[in-house]
Amino acid sequence: GENVEQHPSTLSVQEGDSAVIKCTYSDSASNYFPWYKQELGKRPQLIIDIRSNVGEKKDQRIAVTLNKTAKHFSLHITETQPEDSAVYFCAASKNDYKLSFGAGTTVTVRA
Amino acid sequence: SQTIHQWPATLVQPVGSPLSLECTVEGTSNPNLYWYRQAAGRGLQLLFYSVGIGQISSEVPQNLSASRPQDRQFILSSKKLLLSDSGFYLCAWTVGGPETQYFGPGTRLLVL
Repeated sequence: GENVEQHPSTLSVQEGDSAVIKCTYSDSASNYFPWYKQELGKRPQLIIDIRSNVGEKKDQRIAVTLNKTAKHFSLHITETQPEDSAVYFCAASKNDYKLSFGAGTTVTVRA
Repeated sequence: SQTIHQWPATLVQPVGSPLSLECTVEGTSNPNLYWYRQAAGRGLQLLFYSVGIGQISSEVPQNLSASRPQDRQFILSSKKLLLSDSGFYLCAWTVGGPETQYFGPGTRLLVL
């Protein structure tokens, strides 16, 4: 099955700096890559996603890049704010109804 | 618009007791439904998923079971809870695949 590795496991950044989280996947047939944000005690919520026919996607301060050849994708958060503090999960999926999740990255934005 | 409900929100149960958690989705038909468990400070573990009524796929063999008695209802059960069953149980839905999965508010289960 699909194996998704996520790094780093924890990330501390100064407010206003950028944060980058990287994920690699093992199955070249994967074609859908969402990112979820989970605040403490809450449900995971989708923040951005990308499909394999696109190399980059941006939504305000959040962007995701995909390198199909290397089988890795990354989340970029610019101008970080305290409300960006949360656990972020990457995931990968092919046409089999399931998402394979990374282990998560705990992001702390220092004021 | 679509809405997903889970209940109860929190549950404290003794070891060896039974369990029934319910998830319902509104505003869509024939959704794919999922049960995940998240241990404290950990990632998301897929337990079961269903692509239709009566169709259940198990990802992790354990003392849990799932059923889908109606199109938009997904139930997670156990006959005898273990301490290791404690965690945050999340139901999710999607339509088709691969597509975004949307999570319910979750049930926090503590087994003592």
